[in-house]
Amino acid sequence: KQEVTQIPAALSVPEGENLVLNCSFTDSAIYNLQWFRQDPGKGLTSLLLIQSSQREQTSGRLNASLDKSSGRSTLYIAASQPGDSATYLCAVSNNNDMRFGAGTRLTVKP
Amino acid sequence: NAGVMQNPRHLVRRRGQEARLRCSPMKGHSHVYWYRQLPEEGLKFMVYLQKENIIDESGMPKERFSAEFPKEGPSILRIQQVVRGDSAAYFCASSPYSIPNTGELFFGEGSRLTVL
Repeated sequence: KQEVTQIPAALSVPEGENLVLNCSFTDSAIYNLQWFRQDPGKGLTSLLLIQSSQREQTSGRLNASLDKSSGRSTLYIAASQPGDSATYLCAVSNNNDMRFGAGTRLTVKP
Repeated sequence: NAGVMQNPRHLVRRRGQEARLRCSPMKGHSHVYWYRQLPEEGLKFMVYLQKENIIDESGMPKERFSAEFPKEGPSILRIQQVVRGDSAAYFCASSPYSIPNTGELFFGEGSRLTVL
């Protein structure tokens, strides 16, 4: 059974810092991995999708990497801004559904 | 192209009543997924449907919960005889392809059910 873990559970940084969020999963036979952002009381916004054959994806200040063999992914956020404050969720797919981690709650202080 | 539309956004029910949550997928998407998010917890998979068919319902409680995705109209998640433990946010996601075929999930804003 796939287990997804995100570390840290919460992170607070000053504006402008570069930061890394971590995601690990127990079953490396995945189809893809997706990073989402969730604002309080809102739905999920897709940030990046990495296929199993890919090593990384980039979008603006975001870069996500995937190491399938070790069961890890990282989300790198460059030059963080207060507007980046949200919960970041990692999800992996083995079968017909995606399994989610519990998320990292990020606060970027002005 | 409108996103995934869920309604109602907020629903209050008393114990024993029925709750119906609706989800209209993005245009061109025939794959629909329902997830539940309990307070301070992650999202848990409930059911995966593809037009008129339930593909995987392994995450859905065997009793009181049902889901459908008819040929015409939105997908419906139905909870009968609700209990307080059903209080949660229910999210719908859609995709143009199945996950094994590089399907990327797009989520709605969720329906927040409160059972009194």
